[in-house]
Amino acid sequence: GEDVEQSLFLSVREGDSSVINCTYTDSSSTYLYWYKQEPGAGLQLLTYIFSNMDMKQDQRLTVLLNKKDKHLSLRIADTQTGDSAIYFCAESPVMDSSYKLIFGSGTRLLVRP
Amino acid sequence: EAQVTQNPRYLITVTGKKLTVTCSQNMNHEYMSWYRQDPGLGLRQIYYSMNVEVTDKGDVPEGYKVSRKEKRNFPLILESPSPNQTSLYFCASSLLTGGGDTQYFGPGTRLTVL
Repeated sequence: GEDVEQSLFLSVREGDSSVINCTYTDSSSTYLYWYKQEPGAGLQLLTYIFSNMDMKQDQRLTVLLNKKDKHLSLRIADTQTGDSAIYFCAESPVMDSSYKLIFGSGTRLLVRP
Repeated sequence: EAQVTQNPRYLITVTGKKLTVTCSQNMNHEYMSWYRQDPGLGLRQIYYSMNVEVTDKGDVPEGYKVSRKEKRNFPLILESPSPNQTSLYFCASSLLTGGGDTQYFGPGTRLTVL
C-alpha cells in the first residue's frame, strides 16, 4: 500500500546543516514534494523533485532522491532559527486518479541558538 | 495575490450541530481537495473535486459532505459533527495539467467538537 515515513524529530544548532529523511513506497510517484508548516500556519511548498532526477538544489535547500531505495532527503544548509517548523515529505502516485498527495507524519525541526 | 482562503480559522462547536467550512481560491484551479491533519498521521484526504459538479471521496470521507457549484468554492459540510472530527482541516487547490501540479494549501481551520 501507499506509505510515507519520516522520523518525528530533529534538533540542530544554528548554522549547522539539517538533513531530514523520508522513505516512500509507491514507485509510480512522478513527483515528490517537501512542504513546511510553521506553527499556526498552512503548508508551504518548499521544493519538489521529478522522479527522473537524482538531485535538485535551490539556494540553501538540496533534495536528494534515491529511486532504487525509495529514499528522499532534504538538506538545509546554514540552518537558521526561522527554519524551525514541521517538514512534510509527500508523494503523488501517478496511478491514483484522486491526484491526492500522500504525506508522511512530518518531522519537527528544532533549531537551537 | 494568489491564495486559498478558509473560514473560519477556528471553530468550537457541539456534537450534532451542523457546520460548514468554506474554501475559496482565486487561481482558476480545476482541482480542489480537503485534508484533515491529526497528530502522528500526517494529512489524509477527505474529498476532492476535479471540476465544477465533479466530486469524489478521498480516504476518510465518512461524516463529511462537499459541493462544487462554482469553480472557486469548495465548502466542507459536517451535517452532524462528532468529537472524532476534532482536527485541523486544510483545503488545497491546483491546476490539472497531468504532471507535477503544485497543490496550494489554505491556512487551515482548527475544529473542536465537544
